[in-house]
Amino acid sequence: EAQVTQNPRYLITVTGKKLTVTCSQNMNHEYMSWYRQDPGLGLRQIYYSMNVEVTDKGDVPEGYKVSRKEKRNFPLILESPSPNQTSLYFCASSLGYGALATNPYYEQYFGPGTRLTVT
Amino acid sequence: RKEVEQDPGPFNVPEGATVAFNCTYSNSASQSFFWYRQDCRKEPKLLMSVYSSGNEDGRFTAQLNRASQYISLLIRDSKLSDSATYLCVVREEEYGNKLVFGAGTILRVKS
Repeated sequence: EAQVTQNPRYLITVTGKKLTVTCSQNMNHEYMSWYRQDPGLGLRQIYYSMNVEVTDKGDVPEGYKVSRKEKRNFPLILESPSPNQTSLYFCASSLGYGALATNPYYEQYFGPGTRLTVT
Repeated sequence: RKEVEQDPGPFNVPEGATVAFNCTYSNSASQSFFWYRQDCRKEPKLLMSVYSSGNEDGRFTAQLNRASQYISLLIRDSKLSDSATYLCVVREEEYGNKLVFGAGTILRVKS
């Protein structure tokens, strides 16, 4: 089954304790992205990757790191989590990207979400 | 000013009603537009793309007005299962495949 998986689905942690949220897709997608969702703000992009070893900042990258060592995986790393990073996180992937990409190549598939609480 | 703005609702409607959601976007260079549906903090799922000529998918009709930078979604004959949050989304191709989301409009359909 074609899918995007995230782990863990729920995490409660304390300030400063490094954590990693994994994201994996089995569709051979080029593009992967992380979003966070907060009440009243909608989903906002944290980081994105257009291919292996190619990553770039989104709108809210502060406090986060990512890596793309393999095409299928795009982990999100919080080196020193703080309470303002309490949020619902979604990973997404798409086959293609850019202005020339047409549907279905740019359609993004979302993972099930990771609910993170930092106390 | 938010890049994509929506009325948060909630819209409380009876089954069978017709309901319309509106959305405005600020980037006049945007080329691709979508409506996503999100159930109770689950992952967003693509409901439909929005084309300049307007498009319909069953009970759902989407319209785009580029001059006014305005997108709409019309749901006819509402079902209980339509209860969800509807997200207006604009794609920014210059950043790869970045999606810019509105905060969402809550729809509650009641029997």
